[in-house]
Amino acid sequence: EAGVTQFPSHSVIEKGQTVTLRCDPISGHDNLYWYRRVMGKEIKFLLHFVKESKQDESGMPNNRFLAERTGGTYSTLKVQPAELEDSGVYFCASSQAQLSGNTIYFGEGSWLTVV
Amino acid sequence: GQNIDQPTEMTATEGAIVQINCTYQTSGFNGLFWYQQHAGEAPTFLSYNVLDGLEEKGRFSSFLSRSKGYSYLLLKELQMKDSASYLCAVRSYQKVTFGTGTKLQVIP
Repeated sequence: EAGVTQFPSHSVIEKGQTVTLRCDPISGHDNLYWYRRVMGKEIKFLLHFVKESKQDESGMPNNRFLAERTGGTYSTLKVQPAELEDSGVYFCASSQAQLSGNTIYFGEGSWLTVV
Repeated sequence: GQNIDQPTEMTATEGAIVQINCTYQTSGFNGLFWYQQHAGEAPTFLSYNVLDGLEEKGRFSSFLSRSKGYSYLLLKELQMKDSASYLCAVRSYQKVTFGTGTKLQVIP
């Protein structure tokens, strides 16, 4: 069974440019999460989808970040325009629909560097 | 909101036992996870506790006390490859929040 896959694995862009990160969750997982870890800090929650609906987007830093999950399958996270402080690792994770006892599986992360 | 505390760094000797503590304050508690993360890699699942008590899985065990808002991860027979960050994560309803992680260094 394929795990959570993310693309691109690494991206270097200039300040002001746009980057779109993609996440393919494990097949059948309704819950999809985006997290971010900036250098030296903890992994921080960005948002949570249940199928195609945004369940919780309280962690989104500002309106330069836009996440979508059309059709309830893969998700994209767009940063436009990118700023230097957006550099970090963006992790996507997924889990099944059951509320308790289900593991959250993480992708390898998309490493973003804004210069 | 949630508040999760764990030590920043720990050092232990190969073959020894180490306990990594995690305390938390949250509403709507719905489970606590421990993840291992090696530098440059994704977090990998270690354990999940939702009821009080000890869960044992090979060399790793995790304990939870909901009334005290406290968990620990116990690693036995430490190996060099156990050097990594250990992340405590608390689920409140369906939102999972991570602590800062404990960087464990295993020395010969």
